Amino acid sequence: QVQLKESGPGLVKPSETLSLTCAVSGYSISSGYQWGWIRQPPGKGLEWIGSIYHSGSTYYNPSLKSRVTISVDTSKNQFSLKMSSVTAADTAVYYCARRPLSGYCDYWGQGTLVTVSS
Amino acid sequence: EIVMTQSPATLSVSPGEGATLSCRASQSVSSNLAWYQQKPGQAPRLLIYGASTRATGIPARFSGSGSGTEFTLTISSLQSEDFAVYYCQQYNNWPYTFGQGTKLEIK
Repeated sequence: QVQLKESGPGLVKPSETLSLTCAVSGYSISSGYQWGWIRQPPGKGLEWIGSIYHSGSTYYNPSLKSRVTISVDTSKNQFSLKMSSVTAADTAVYYCARRPLSGYCDYWGQGTLVTVSS
Repeated sequence: EIVMTQSPATLSVSPGEGATLSCRASQSVSSNLAWYQQKPGQAPRLLIYGASTRATGIPARFSGSGSGTEFTLTISSLQSEDFAVYYCQQYNNWPYTFGQGTKLEIK
């Protein structure tokens, strides 16, 4: 059974960098698929942030590209998200997910709420 | 980017009845469309991909149809656990985009 779990600080100050990690169990990241991050502001819809292949190839949403870095650590079977210069608009539940090459998400983490506030 | 528009925003239906949810794309996405169900405090759950293929473990009362710019999710004989928010997502063009959601509530 594939499982994903997000971890990281729940509170980040404005202008600082948000850092989250997604630990994957039940499947080796090195075996394939893409691994992505999606966020959902409170009471709102879903937004793709980006994804990464086990080889390190990345795809970022152009609206966030300048502030986002996604990386993968196959030795730990996890991948990470860094988002710089955060503002209150980045307050959201952040989900990690497994993405078949076609583009939908078949397995999701439980999500983690990140609040940007001083 | 492709804009996905879902209608209606809220749909009130009685248990046992059927429901039809719509999703429209601002340009053709072929059959590269998925539907998700999200309950409060939970992650989205994949229901349909390829516009009409049910994901593993999804009951047959959920069905998807459409191609190009017009898509439909049909739920026959609603069960209590089906009342949730439903999102469509296109994965034809990057960045992949979601609709704003349809809330299916008990009438």
